[in-house]
Amino acid sequence: DGGITQSPKYLFRKEGQNVTLSCEQNLNHDAMYWYRQDPGQGLRLIYYSQIVNDFQKGDIAEGYSVSREKKESFPLTVTSAQKNPTAFYLCASRNSRTGSNYGYTFGSGTRLTVV
Amino acid sequence: GQQVMQIPQYQHVQEGEDFTTYCNSSTTLSNIQWYKQRPGGHPVFLIQLVKSGEVKKQKRLTFQFGEAKKNSSLHITATQTTDVGTYFCAGRKLGTGFQKLVFGTGTRLLVSP
Repeated sequence: DGGITQSPKYLFRKEGQNVTLSCEQNLNHDAMYWYRQDPGQGLRLIYYSQIVNDFQKGDIAEGYSVSREKKESFPLTVTSAQKNPTAFYLCASRNSRTGSNYGYTFGSGTRLTVV
Repeated sequence: GQQVMQIPQYQHVQEGEDFTTYCNSSTTLSNIQWYKQRPGGHPVFLIQLVKSGEVKKQKRLTFQFGEAKKNSSLHITATQTTDVGTYFCAGRKLGTGFQKLVFGTGTRLLVSP
């Protein structure tokens, strides 16, 4: 079955450490996204990528970095510069070539906690 | 920047009662999508609306897109316990060429049997 795999499901980070969240999809989707979800809030866009080797900052990119070296993969690094990284991180993808009739497919998320 | 608000933030109903969540954007939208997120889960795409005044139905769920394309609603008739979750709207600002959605704040629905 095609889908998006995020790993790990839970991640604990010490203050001052960088951590990388994995996102892999086998849906052959061009566009990929990273969102952050805080309790009781909506999803806020961190970074997005339309094609390989290209990505753009979203609304809350400070303290985060991404890469898109392969179509299937869009890892997110949470750096020590991110002041409040504890949150639920969701990766999503979409096939932008088929027009705008389809929604995002989300991964199951990574819950990051700073200890 | 573009903001999308939803009301109510939370609603608790008895099974069989109806439920409605409203979504309001500060800017005109080219389309609007709705997602459902079960507790502990991830958002799942429900539907997309594109045309002004459009109404779509999925069984007990009715989705509307406002005439001005700045608001939308989701109505659930005769709620069931399986409807529990948080419902998000997400819109794309008119004129943006790339599908970059702004998500609403969400409405959390609790249904008691």
